[in-house]
Amino acid sequence: EDQVTQSPEALRLQEGESSSLNCSYTVSGLRGLFWYRQDPGKGPEFLFTLYSAGEEKEKERLKATLTKKESFLHITAPKPEDSATYLCAVRGNTGFQKLVFGTGTRLLVSP
Amino acid sequence: DTGVSQDPRHKITKRGQNVTFRCDPISEHNRLYWYRQTLGQGPEFLTYFQNEAQLEKSRLLSDRFSAERPKGSFSTLEIQRTEQGDSAMYLCASSSDSFNEQFFGPGTRLTVL
Repeated sequence: EDQVTQSPEALRLQEGESSSLNCSYTVSGLRGLFWYRQDPGKGPEFLFTLYSAGEEKEKERLKATLTKKESFLHITAPKPEDSATYLCAVRGNTGFQKLVFGTGTRLLVSP
Repeated sequence: DTGVSQDPRHKITKRGQNVTFRCDPISEHNRLYWYRQTLGQGPEFLTYFQNEAQLEKSRLLSDRFSAERPKGSFSTLEIQRTEQGDSAMYLCASSSDSFNEQFFGPGTRLTVL
């Protein structure tokens, strides 16, 4: 069964203090690892898709990386508006299209 | 706005009542998904449609739950005889054949009293 574990559960940073979020996964045949951002009371917002070890994607202050066992979401010089829950999900080959999500990391960036 | 839309955004119902939610996907997307999310958890997959065909269903989808996608456009999710454990955010997502990425709607928050 595909599984995703995210750490830490919660992270508090000062504005400008860079850090990384971890997503460990076990999956039968990785067909994509996805990062989403979710604000309270809203649906997840797509950020990145990674497919193979060594791949990296960047968007503004965010950079996602992938190894065979885990993915990292690096946040460089965060701002208060980066505060949100960051969700990691995988798509394996055991189901047609379903994503299996972790429980997320709640990020709070203080000014 | 050309994103995924869901209606209603909030629904409060009494235990034992039936409820129905609607999802309108991004217009050119032929794949549609339903997920359920409870507080502090990530979304859990419920079901998947390709066009009008329901191709995948989770074990979470008990016989009180039914989903349809007539004509491969909008979709409805009905919950019969609601229970307090059904209280959650119900999320709809869509994607195209060309790309893996699923784009989510704002969700319907269900509260069962």
